Amino acid sequence: DGGITQSPKYLFRKEGQNVTLSCEQNLNHDAMYWYRQDPGQGLRLIYYSQIVNDFQKGDIAEGYSVSREKKESFPLTVTSAQKNPTAFYLCAIGPAGGPGYNEQFFGPGTRLTVL
Amino acid sequence: DQQVKQNSPSLSVQEGRISILNCDYTNSMFDYFLWYKKYPAEGPTFLISISSIKDKNEDGRFTVFLNKSAKHLSLHIVPSQPGDSAVYFCAASARGSNYKLTFGKGTLLTVNP
Repeated sequence: DGGITQSPKYLFRKEGQNVTLSCEQNLNHDAMYWYRQDPGQGLRLIYYSQIVNDFQKGDIAEGYSVSREKKESFPLTVTSAQKNPTAFYLCAIGPAGGPGYNEQFFGPGTRLTVL
Repeated sequence: DQQVKQNSPSLSVQEGRISILNCDYTNSMFDYFLWYKKYPAEGPTFLISISSIKDKNEDGRFTVFLNKSAKHLSLHIVPSQPGDSAVYFCAASARGSNYKLTFGKGTLLTVNP
């Protein structure tokens, strides 16, 4: 089955623990993105990667880290430095193409709750 | 500062009528605009997009209008159906921005049977 997978769907962690969220895709898209959604806040960009072994900070990167060792995978680590980690996390993919060809497609999301 | 604004947090319409969702932007460098639909606890689904070289794009029941001079776009859904009830996000991208998307805060559309 093709597409974007995020696991797990729900994740609970104790305060002070690092946690890694998985995002995998088999659609051969170059670009991958991580967003965070909070109630009434829309989607805010955490990190993105246009190519393997390269990534850039988004608007709210503090307290997060990523890696892009494979084209198919873009895991996000929520570190203990993130002050408000409880949120709905969304991974997206997109072609690193030209203007007018930059629709992003989203995975099902992971709901992280820090207790 | 919020570069993409959806000033109506919610909208309620009757089934069969038109739904109009609005979006304003401030960054004149934005040249591509998208609408996404999102159900609770799911990822957003891409609906329709428009390039700044156009002022209208239509796909079935969904039409997006772009008014560049007013920095305003709108999504029209005709006819509205109960299954259209969801949160709708407007997003924008600027050339030279590595195709990053900037999202509005969303509008909750409720279509009543």
